[in-house]
Amino acid sequence: GQNIDQPTEMTATEGAIVQINCTYQTSGFNGLFWYQQHAGEAPTFLSYNVLDGLEEKGRFSSFLSRSKGYSYLLLKELQMKDSASYLCAVRDRRYSGGSQGNLIFGKGTKLSVKP
Amino acid sequence: DGGITQSPKYLFRKEGQNVTLSCEQNLNHDAMYWYRQDPGQGLRLIYYSQIVNDFQKGDIAEGYSVSREKKESFPLTVTSAQKNPTAFYLCASTSTSGGYNEQFFGPGTRLTVL
Repeated sequence: GQNIDQPTEMTATEGAIVQINCTYQTSGFNGLFWYQQHAGEAPTFLSYNVLDGLEEKGRFSSFLSRSKGYSYLLLKELQMKDSASYLCAVRDRRYSGGSQGNLIFGKGTKLSVKP
Repeated sequence: DGGITQSPKYLFRKEGQNVTLSCEQNLNHDAMYWYRQDPGQGLRLIYYSQIVNDFQKGDIAEGYSVSREKKESFPLTVTSAQKNPTAFYLCASTSTSGGYNEQFFGPGTRLTVL
């Protein structure tokens, strides 16, 4: 089966660093995505990992360990506009009739950034 | 500008009525998806389509129907058989030609059943 876990809520201070963890169990892992979603809006793509290691993109970094079924999203120099939900999604090649696989989403982590 | 549009943004329906949610993309993507999002829940897949004139059920297809007559369009009909249709509905699309193939999302339609 498939299972994705991430914390429900987190709070951090403006200017600080926060790490949002995601653990997963899938049978046909084919990549992990992080999305940001502001309340009432569409999710927007942040990062993608398919190989082990760290991917850095400005203030955002994402790490993957396939052997541990673990990823994290690291947000640096937090800004008030970073208050949003962060969605971890795993692509599972067994989860669709297509070649690449559909996404399985975690429930999201609601991050509140305080002054 | 390329993107995905969904209409309407807010939709109210009486119990027992069917309603159709629109999704259009001009990104030339082959694959399109419909998700449902409820408070405290992850996105759940309703239907997806990898190619025109073909679509597949996702995890929660009961009470929903779709069509894919054109590459650009993937409308979702919420039928009266859907027992709890009040939710935020998101349409997405992706290229299948290589690269990350991340899904791009439309702005969503919030459906409320009165």
